[in-house]
Amino acid sequence: LAKTTQPISMDSYEGQEVNITCSHNNIATNDYITWYQQFPSQGPRFIIQGYKTKVTNEVASLFIPADRKSSTLSLPRVSLSDTAVYYCLVVGNTGFQKLVFGTGTRLLVSP
Amino acid sequence: DADVTQTPRNRITKTGKRIMLECSQTKGHDRMYWYRQDPGLGLRLIYYSFDVKDINKGEISDGYSVSRQAQAKFSLSLESAIPNQTALYFCATSGSSSYTQYFGPGTRLTVL
Repeated sequence: LAKTTQPISMDSYEGQEVNITCSHNNIATNDYITWYQQFPSQGPRFIIQGYKTKVTNEVASLFIPADRKSSTLSLPRVSLSDTAVYYCLVVGNTGFQKLVFGTGTRLLVSP
Repeated sequence: DADVTQTPRNRITKTGKRIMLECSQTKGHDRMYWYRQDPGLGLRLIYYSFDVKDINKGEISDGYSVSRQAQAKFSLSLESAIPNQTALYFCATSGSSSYTQYFGPGTRLTVL
């Protein structure tokens, strides 16, 4: 599975748009990019998944360039409750035994 | 009711004891997973099962074993617990045609 690299932490203020970028240089053709959110002492929660271009749902957008070697999670107008750790995961049908959630990006939203 | 449940939610045990953590799901998913999370770190895969007859080791399976009793149940055992197995343990499920995982609330295990 592709190794991912994310910023360790980010700070923002309520109402701002937050973009978290994940690098996955050795992504395979059949791999999908998935983002999760985790609050302290809770299990990760699925946010969004994509393969290419742009995907949008009610909580976030995911932008994937043509080479698919990176992706950007965009959270519009964040609130205090968006303070959490965000994980980027590249998943496919091969190498599943090496599936690892990295340390993620710790987002702190301030008033 | 929660779709993925884990029991117990908290457990304190002593070195050398055998411990079983249980996971049940009502999502009808074929795939189930066990992860551990250490403080300040991400999740690491211990075991995964793609159906009742399929069990696979993850990256950190040493010291653990699993049992898939039914499609809805996946148990994790620590045969002889040691202090460095103190961690937060999560169970997750996914459908066979999707990579989206749904996580349980976690079990906080402390080995003294």
